[in-house]
Amino acid sequence: NAGVTQTPKFRILKIGQSMTLQCTQDMNHNYMYWYRQDPGMGLKLIYYSVGAGITDKGEVPNGYNVSRSTTEDFPLRLELAAPSQTSVYFCASGSGTSGGVTDTQYFGPGTRLTVL
Amino acid sequence: AQKITQTQPGMFVQEKEAVTLDCTYDTSDPSYGLFWYKQPSSGEMIFLIYQGSYDQQNATEGRYSLNFQKARKSANLVISASQLGDSAMYFCAMREGGTGNQFYFGTGTSLTVIP
Repeated sequence: NAGVTQTPKFRILKIGQSMTLQCTQDMNHNYMYWYRQDPGMGLKLIYYSVGAGITDKGEVPNGYNVSRSTTEDFPLRLELAAPSQTSVYFCASGSGTSGGVTDTQYFGPGTRLTVL
Repeated sequence: AQKITQTQPGMFVQEKEAVTLDCTYDTSDPSYGLFWYKQPSSGEMIFLIYQGSYDQQNATEGRYSLNFQKARKSANLVISASQLGDSAMYFCAMREGGTGNQFYFGTGTSLTVIP
């Protein structure tokens, strides 16, 4: 049972390039999330999904896109990378029940992205 | 307004002593959950403990306990008998019942355990 996996672990992009951060979970969780963590800061929610085919914006969605075609996968797409997107990106999942507050999140190991 | 506030950027504690990490929260939703996560220098986020707004007793998990004071909107993490491996960043987070799909995180507290 691998939990939440993310690829790649590290990436350097040039300004204007695009890339997709991959996230896969094998816990059959309905809920999945993407966060970014800037240096010395907490996590900010980019996008989340409550099930396959359903996604919604979090606090900081600009510059990103997501899709959720399967329960297991939740890729995050960066279009036209900018230096402000330099950050560590975490994917998380939770079993989730709509409106429930008890569901905790399980995190992947993170992707460290630098945009130069 | 910040949903989660952690006012201690850095804390030091002697090995084997207890330490309290502060967290205050802001919500008008009567149903919410409070979480603490540990982030070691390796970077992963590790779930530690959970407290629900309707829970009558403070949550405990091994050496971790949560001092939940609902009227003051505080959810402080208490680590007893600190170990060197407890040195890490600690994040407080909240999930609201009305918009239960989102978690809100504080800025974290860096804990250093001194031998």
